[in-house]
Amino acid sequence: DAKTTQPNSMESNEEEPVHLPCNHSTISGTDYIHWYRQLPSQGPEYVIHGLTSNVNNRMASLAIAEDRKSSTLILHRATLRDAAVYYCILGAGNEKLTFGTGTRLTIIP
Amino acid sequence: DTGVSQDPRHKITKRGQNVTFRCDPISEHNRLYWYRQTLGQGPEFLTYFQNEAQLEKSRLLSDRFSAERPKGSFSTLEIQRTEQGDSAMYLCASSPSRDSWVGFFGQGTRLTVV
Repeated sequence: DAKTTQPNSMESNEEEPVHLPCNHSTISGTDYIHWYRQLPSQGPEYVIHGLTSNVNNRMASLAIAEDRKSSTLILHRATLRDAAVYYCILGAGNEKLTFGTGTRLTIIP
Repeated sequence: DTGVSQDPRHKITKRGQNVTFRCDPISEHNRLYWYRQTLGQGPEFLTYFQNEAQLEKSRLLSDRFSAERPKGSFSTLEIQRTEQGDSAMYLCASSPSRDSWVGFFGQGTRLTVV
């Protein structure tokens, strides 16, 4: 499986934008980029996914580098409820997900 | 639609006992996945089903573990002769089979083996 690299932890102030980076230099042409987050004591929750173009939904935006070797999850205005572990995962379509250890995001009030 | 439901939420068992967990996926979701998560780690894939067919099993799924999805709806995960190393959160997820992977996870079953 292609591997992703994320910072172990990040902090951000409440009501400010958050940019969560992910490097995936060995991504294959068919790999989608998926982001999930896991709030304390919860199962993972789907956030967003994309293949080549930038994507927006009600939760976040996904910016994908032109060479697809990196991506950034953007939370436009962080709230305390966004404190979670964020996982960047590569996968080809509908198959199992291979989670890493993710980025623990702390929101400072 | 109440999402993916797992039962029980917590289970404490003595070493050597057998335990069984149940997962009810979102209705009409053809794919069902089991993952295991230990403290500080991301979830690890165990196995998945397309309807009632078990399509893939991780090497993490030793012969003490068995999963079934008899009618393509709910699934069970059984662990026989539990060991302390089996203590973990067991997560179930489901997805519609045709779409690019958008998975819906349950809240998990936390197993503690004492």
